[in-house]
Amino acid sequence: DAGITQSPRHKVTETGTPVTLRCHQTENHRYMYWYRQDPGHGLRLIHYSYGVKDTDKGEVSDGYSVSRSKTEDFLLTLESATSSQTSVYFCAISESRGEVYNEQFFGPGTRLTVL
Amino acid sequence: KNQVEQSPQSLIILEGKNCTLQCNYTVSPFSNLRWYKQDTGRGPVSLTIMTFSENTKSNGRYTATLDADTKQSSLHITASQLSDSASYICVVRGNSGYALNFGKGTSLLVTP
Repeated sequence: DAGITQSPRHKVTETGTPVTLRCHQTENHRYMYWYRQDPGHGLRLIHYSYGVKDTDKGEVSDGYSVSRSKTEDFLLTLESATSSQTSVYFCAISESRGEVYNEQFFGPGTRLTVL
Repeated sequence: KNQVEQSPQSLIILEGKNCTLQCNYTVSPFSNLRWYKQDTGRGPVSLTIMTFSENTKSNGRYTATLDADTKQSSLHITASQLSDSASYICVVRGNSGYALNFGKGTSLLVTP
């Protein structure tokens, strides 16, 4: 998984509680991304980061916030978890955004269940 | 809205047989098209990537083709193996912005 770890790998939580997922990379890549994957949908971008302290929203960012204080770590926080946020969350990294052959490498995923 | 449609949704084939997966897209302008393989419980892993000027790209038993005029791509798997059982995802990148457009995937099961 290209030097990407996610923690925890599985989590069960209750509605209304805050949850933080962590993505850690050892590749020193500039860009990091959080996606969610749900049945019947393709992967959907939640937030991404283009450098330390530089983040931006994706297409499904409502209810999520992110932070990146170090190159290697990208945190995804669900401020107040809801059942609709039950999903598998993937972190991805890339060296850059613009080059044609630039590839995103994905982590192993975190399965989150909100009861 | 840019869309990526994959077919079939699922497929079952016998070990050793060939199969072809389809991807149609409406993303325009177009930068590149990628095929990813996602094993159960794992993250997607890239198989091939093609720009608009490339018609075909191979990676071992996997061969991807692209027709940028008709906005169609296919992934052909030759002499399938049990380990090919996975979801195959077509991903299209436009020329502007950061966004990748993901298909919903084709779930392939290879049986003995």
